Amino acid sequence: EADIYQTPRYLVIGTGKKITLECSQTMGHDKMYWYQQDPGMELHLIHYSYGVNSTEKGDLSSESTVSRIRTEHFPLTLESARPSHTSQYLCASSVSSGANVLTFGAGSRLTVL
Amino acid sequence: GEDVEQSLFLSVREGDSSVINCTYTDSSSTYLYWYKQEPGAGLQLLTYIFSNMDMKQDQRLTVLLNKKDKHLSLRIADTQTGDSAIYFCAEKLAGGGNKLTFGTGTQLKVEL
Repeated sequence: EADIYQTPRYLVIGTGKKITLECSQTMGHDKMYWYQQDPGMELHLIHYSYGVNSTEKGDLSSESTVSRIRTEHFPLTLESARPSHTSQYLCASSVSSGANVLTFGAGSRLTVL
Repeated sequence: GEDVEQSLFLSVREGDSSVINCTYTDSSSTYLYWYKQEPGAGLQLLTYIFSNMDMKQDQRLTVLLNKKDKHLSLRIADTQTGDSAIYFCAEKLAGGGNKLTFGTGTQLKVEL
């Protein structure tokens, strides 16, 4: 049973709204990640963090921002949502071991009208 | 490059074996993974293989790695309807930090 939680699971909002997607893990993992998943299934890394106060941009440019003030918490924020932000957002975490197995949350599906 | 490619769709009959293929371009991969995603859910790790291995078996799952051809496959024996899902291969590169690059995903449909 994965101990990584994402809220909300589903969100439908209007253009221009500010939204925050929450991600929390209780496993003590130091590394956390945000992936954006297209309707066509492909996953793209948009943000990652190797520990508290560490955040990096991923391979896909994103207008979202993240913060890592606590080990267990890695929220993602969109200041002004647009229809192009409609997607599934998956949070994951891992420990610093050789295999770096990622544990994923159930995802947050965002629809911007 | 860090392209990881898979065929988009595979359909098999219940009880048959399924083989899902993946090709990657970067020879510096250290670990390769298979994840499963069921509808409305996140990704679940199925298995992973270290790059100096060429095969790993875990119950109904067999992973084959051909480093020369940069080809990874997942064989599911006695495929069941519960195996219907999207399957992603992923690689971790040496020197790439702890980031994983995921493939495009293969949707497996198991028919009765």
